[in-house]
Amino acid sequence: AQKITQTQPGMFVQEKEAVTLDCTYDTSDQSYGLFWYKQPSSGEMIFLIYQGSYDEQNATEGRYSLNFQKARKSANLVISASQLGDSAMYFCAMRGIDNYGQNFVFGPGTRLSVLP
Amino acid sequence: EPEVTQTPSHQVTQMGQEVILRCVPISNHLYFYWYRQILGQKVEFLVSFYNNEISEKSEIFDDQFSVERPDGSNFTLKIRSTKLEDSAMYFCASSGGLLAKNIQYFGAGTRLSVL
Repeated sequence: AQKITQTQPGMFVQEKEAVTLDCTYDTSDQSYGLFWYKQPSSGEMIFLIYQGSYDEQNATEGRYSLNFQKARKSANLVISASQLGDSAMYFCAMRGIDNYGQNFVFGPGTRLSVLP
Repeated sequence: EPEVTQTPSHQVTQMGQEVILRCVPISNHLYFYWYRQILGQKVEFLVSFYNNEISEKSEIFDDQFSVERPDGSNFTLKIRSTKLEDSAMYFCASSGGLLAKNIQYFGAGTRLSVL
């Protein structure tokens, strides 16, 4: 079974500073994908970034980067130059290929608050 | 940019009533999903759907739940007889493939309130 752990229920960061949101995972799959989603107060789930288990380079998407450490089974999200609009819940999720590997397993989320 | 759309955004119903939540997935996607998020909790998988049949479902998805693709664009989740504990945000998602790398794009959700 797959499991995602996010140990930070809440985080604060000053505007324009960088912040790291932690995510560790557990899986027996050899091939899997790791994802981060943002959920603002309006409720929608916005895809941010993807990392494949066999990707040699850490994923980056604009201000978002994923610090992937496969041996430690961690996939931390780094947000550089935080903006007030970054205040939201952030969910780490993974998707394996056992069975049909279709569904996501989500972590409990981290609430990020960006301070002016 | 193509997106997944869900209607209604908020549905209020009485316990025991049937509800149908509607979703229009991204047009060239073939795989469809429903997830549930009880207030303040994590997102939970309900069901996945491909080629007009359920391909995987969780233990949450019991006989009270059903999914359907009634036409070429809509994907619906029906709850036959709602219970108080069905109150949650329901997300529809779609993806273009089954590989681990295929991103699932989520709709904005339908908030279901069962009174």
